[in-house]
Amino acid sequence: DVKVTQSSRYLVKRTGEKVFLECVQDMDHENMFWYRQDPGLGLRLIYFSYDVKMKEKGDIPEGYSVSREKKERFSLILESASTNQTSMYLCASLSASGTGTPPLHFGNGTRLTVT
Amino acid sequence: AQSVTQLGSHVSVSEGALVLLRCNYSSSVPPYLFWYVQYPNQGLQLLLKYTSAATLVKGINGFEAEFKKSETSFHLTKPSAHMSDAAEYFCAVSDRIRDDKIIFGKGTRLHILP
Repeated sequence: DVKVTQSSRYLVKRTGEKVFLECVQDMDHENMFWYRQDPGLGLRLIYFSYDVKMKEKGDIPEGYSVSREKKERFSLILESASTNQTSMYLCASLSASGTGTPPLHFGNGTRLTVT
Repeated sequence: AQSVTQLGSHVSVSEGALVLLRCNYSSSVPPYLFWYVQYPNQGLQLLLKYTSAATLVKGINGFEAEFKKSETSFHLTKPSAHMSDAAEYFCAVSDRIRDDKIIFGKGTRLHILP
C-alpha cells in the first residue's frame, strides 16, 4: 500500500528556531508537495518538487525553504520560526507517469505550534 | 488562473438524509476535478476524480459527483448520510497542461446529526 510518512505528528518550537519537517514516501513518486492547512483557508501550496534537487515555489513560499536530496525524501525548513507559522503541515506525493492525473497521496500531517 | 469555490464552510445533515456539498470551479482550460476527504487527525484521501471520461463520477463510500460544464460545477452527493461520513471535504482542480499543480478549495466540514 502507498505510504507517505511525516516524521512528527506534533511539534512545539520557539520563535526564531530553525525547524525541519521531514516527509518520506515509499512509492518512487517523482513529485512531492508541502501544503499548510488552516481553518477557513483550506490547503495552500508552499513548495513542490518534481525531481531530486528540483523545487518550485507554490503560493505561499515566504519564510520557508525545502530540500530534496533523495527521491523519497522532501524536507520543509522554517529558517526562523514565527508564531504565524503555527499550522498543520501536510506532505503529499504524486506519480508523474501515466495518464489522467493520478491522485495525490497525503501523509497524516504535522501540527506545528510556534510559541 | 484556476480556482475552486466551495459553498458553505459547514453543512449539517441528518443521518439517512441526502448529502450535497457544492463546488464551483474556474478554469480557462478543460479541468481535472477532484473531491478529497479528511477524517479527523488524518491526511486527505481521494474520494473521486473527473478526467472527462464520464460526467457522472462514482467514488468510494457511496459518493458521486456530476461535472456540469454549463454551470462550472462539480457538486458532491450521497443519497443517504451515515455517521461515519462526518469529515472535512475538499474540492480541487488542476489543468491538463500542468496537472501536477492542484488547487484546493477552502473545505466544507460535514456534520451528521443523529
